[in-house]
Amino acid sequence: NIVLTQSPATLSVTPGESVSLSCRASQSISTSIHWYQQKSNESPRLLIKYASQSISGIPSRFSGSGSGTDFTLSINRVESEDFSIYYCQQSYSSPYTFGAGTKLELK
Amino acid sequence: QVQLTESGPGLVHPSETLSLTCTVSGFSLTGYSVYWVRQPSGKGLEWMGRMRYNGDTSYNSALKSRLSISRDTSKNQVFLKMNSLQTDDTGTYYCTRAAWGATFDYWGQGVMVTVSS
Repeated sequence: NIVLTQSPATLSVTPGESVSLSCRASQSISTSIHWYQQKSNESPRLLIKYASQSISGIPSRFSGSGSGTDFTLSINRVESEDFSIYYCQQSYSSPYTFGAGTKLELK
Repeated sequence: QVQLTESGPGLVHPSETLSLTCTVSGFSLTGYSVYWVRQPSGKGLEWMGRMRYNGDTSYNSALKSRLSISRDTSKNQVFLKMNSLQTDDTGTYYCTRAAWGATFDYWGQGVMVTVSS
């Protein structure tokens, strides 16, 4: 199975800062990585598909990059509503695994 | 608009079978695949299995021996059955629509399942 390792586990920031969240795959997965946001007691929400493709309705401050094994979700100027957990997920091969998540918290 | 709604019992006893229903609207089950994803309390997400748009099923090998997914297209419903439940099966169970391959663009609100005697 493909293992996705997210880092850091927790990221403490103040609103207005820009951040980068990392997701590393245990083998090359081309650009078959997707990013989700999960707020407390809510369902996950798709933010970015196929490493860098934007999703309708998602603020432009969210962007993604990477290919192969290393991927990054960037948030330009974090807003208060962004404090939540972020997961990466691969669709390269079954089982379609998720990373353990990065918690973005208020500093 | 696209909606997915999970339903099922909130409490299941150890060794019993869990039965969940995902009722969808705003899209056709013959046009999109539906996946089941679960989340143990306070933990991450785990893909369980899928009902493909053409009726094929696929399961996470870790759960395959206990899991069955089926559908009724006339009722716009996808079903999950998992047997031999244990306490570590406690968590929230989601159904989600797959677009662009296994990319999950719409999610249900989730159903909390507790396995306890």
